[in-house]
Amino acid sequence: RKEVEQDPGPFNVPEGATVAFNCTYSNSASQSFFWYRQDCRKEPKLLMSVYSSGNEDGRFTAQLNRASQYISLLIRDSKLSDSATYLCVVTLYSSASKIIFGSGTRLSIRP
Amino acid sequence: GAGVSQSPRYKVAKRGQDVALRCDPISGHVSLFWYQQALGQGPEFLTYFQNEAQLDKSGLPSDRFFAERPEGSVSTLKIQRTQQEDSAVYLCASSSRTGNQPQHFGDGTRLSIL
Repeated sequence: RKEVEQDPGPFNVPEGATVAFNCTYSNSASQSFFWYRQDCRKEPKLLMSVYSSGNEDGRFTAQLNRASQYISLLIRDSKLSDSATYLCVVTLYSSASKIIFGSGTRLSIRP
Repeated sequence: GAGVSQSPRYKVAKRGQDVALRCDPISGHVSLFWYQQALGQGPEFLTYFQNEAQLDKSGLPSDRFFAERPEGSVSTLKIQRTQQEDSAVYLCASSSRTGNQPQHFGDGTRLSIL
């Protein structure tokens, strides 16, 4: 079983829709959680951190459920420019270098 | 420039050749990471430097892979006797903060082994 798992998608939704996807992690010692965005043939870029209490950044909301070991990303009022691959990232307590990326969820927004 | 710079952008090599990939991190960034990203996958950790010290190389897939950062800034990832399975995008990231987030990635080097 992979340490960080994501539904690869693709999620194909109309512009303006709300879309959500989850990421599960296997190591309960996981410390920090992030969502990165990667456009086709581009480098990953930090989208947002995920805090225990949940956090929002504009149209994006991230949630963490430690008991069930998953994080989620919700995108409201989706835009064409939201089309990208969303990477779930988990870091462990034990090592500053133990940063694990999920395989990504592909999102495609159609007009 | 202000970002992480990687070169070359594309590299094609014949199986068995040695290659060297360069990463120029953001000035002043202490932490530097190398990742390997296969098509349709997320980046896989290769190795980590804090200044010139290579603190973790547990992700290097074989002893054909070697990385260095001798002066704590520019880093080179070397792959000896390349194999077809080495074909991937090699990403470099740097970070200034403890906890190593956010990571600032370079554009990557797309390596193709023929």
